[in-house]
Amino acid sequence: GAGVSQSPSNKVTEKGKDVELRCDPISGHTALYWYRQSLGQGLEFLIYFQGNSAPDKSGLPSDRFSAERTGGSVSTLTIQRTQQEDSAVYLCASSWGAGELFFGEGSRLTVL
Amino acid sequence: GQSLEQPSEVTAVEGAIVQINCTYQTSGFYGLSWYQQHDGGAPTFLSYNALDGLEETGRFSSFLSRSDSYGYLLLQELQMKDSASYFCAVRVDRGSTLGRLYFGRGTQLTVWP
Repeated sequence: GAGVSQSPSNKVTEKGKDVELRCDPISGHTALYWYRQSLGQGLEFLIYFQGNSAPDKSGLPSDRFSAERTGGSVSTLTIQRTQQEDSAVYLCASSWGAGELFFGEGSRLTVL
Repeated sequence: GQSLEQPSEVTAVEGAIVQINCTYQTSGFYGLSWYQQHDGGAPTFLSYNALDGLEETGRFSSFLSRSDSYGYLLLQELQMKDSASYFCAVRVDRGSTLGRLYFGRGTQLTVWP
């Protein structure tokens, strides 16, 4: 597709389980971002990848969160030992470098 | 930390003009963006100001004053479809790429008929 694709769109998991969220950016975009949006809240910066540079992980809330980007394209956000406060919509965005962000529809995570 | 303040809610009637303000305190400043998000949807880009002044794009305009750490989004001739959340976002990294972008909590705009 032409846009940013995220999967799954919805994920329900039990507390303590690990989850993986996937993001397929727009082809050719060199930058990829992950944000977290809790109910009625703003977009919380998590991590940023730019080309082949080391990612900026300064927004990750704990060491339970990690992300990787393979081949400069697809990215996976992993949350280990999920907690109820991790429930949120996880948004991925990509950019060609200095331009606007293009967001996906998000992955809604519910931790029971 | 990074701080962006904007009103939580604004209401207006169709055809009116509304202004959504954003003040920021960030580790760096290299531009202010605005994004629109309809319920359950993906945020979409509206405008970007790197320099002081007014940028106009159709019914929407955005203003920046770097000396006041302040900007606003102006929506004219409001339509029902403009009901959405509006987020300001600050670019904090210098360089040829966008770098980190920090968002405010968003302003929920409700347009009444």
